[in-house]
Amino acid sequence: GAVVSQHPSWVICKSGTSVKIECRSLDFQATTMFWYRQFPKQSLMLMATSNEGSKATYEQGVEKDKFLINHASLTLSTLTVTSAHPEDSSFYICSALSGSSYNEQFFGPGTRLTVL
Amino acid sequence: TQLLEQSPQFLSIQEGENLTVYCNSSSVFSSLQWYRQEPGEGPVLLVTVVTGGEVKKLKRLTFQFGDARKDSSLHITAAQPGDTGLYLCAGVNDYKLSFGAGTTVTVRA
Repeated sequence: GAVVSQHPSWVICKSGTSVKIECRSLDFQATTMFWYRQFPKQSLMLMATSNEGSKATYEQGVEKDKFLINHASLTLSTLTVTSAHPEDSSFYICSALSGSSYNEQFFGPGTRLTVL
Repeated sequence: TQLLEQSPQFLSIQEGENLTVYCNSSSVFSSLQWYRQEPGEGPVLLVTVVTGGEVKKLKRLTFQFGDARKDSSLHITAAQPGDTGLYLCAGVNDYKLSFGAGTTVTVRA
């Protein structure tokens, strides 16, 4: 099956710093990737749709200047949390669209961000 | 506001018992998916149902999609401790997923 990786798997940073999270599709090309955020004991909330070679589409309420998304190649999308604050602490999960008949999304293992 | 309502929120049963998780929405979806998520990991797709009234079986798991394509259920027969996890339903429209709040299932040995 298709594999999606994320790096790092966890990160701890100081308030005010920026953190970059990578999402890679390892054995398929993905023109579209998605970024989700999941708070403890809650469901996944879609943050943005990342499109290769074009600007990301952000969901309502998500600050595009705070959560910078770059989808520079068909196998890599990055999410940068700029000037992170403790309330940005969360589990960030990416997925990549497979292009199959069901347009299945394959999810990465997630990145745990803790902002001190 | 969650587009998809899941019930129950928590479920704790003994090994060997059956369980059913429900997923309801006022919206129609082109398809509906069920995922299972372990703590600290991403969700893993279990099944996609597309046709209203569809029933799919995967070993001890049975998935149903409502006739109107607004609701779905997941039934597990003879649950095992390995079935423990967070079960999420997700409605699919235009490649986007809208997740339900999830049902935490605990199967005690």
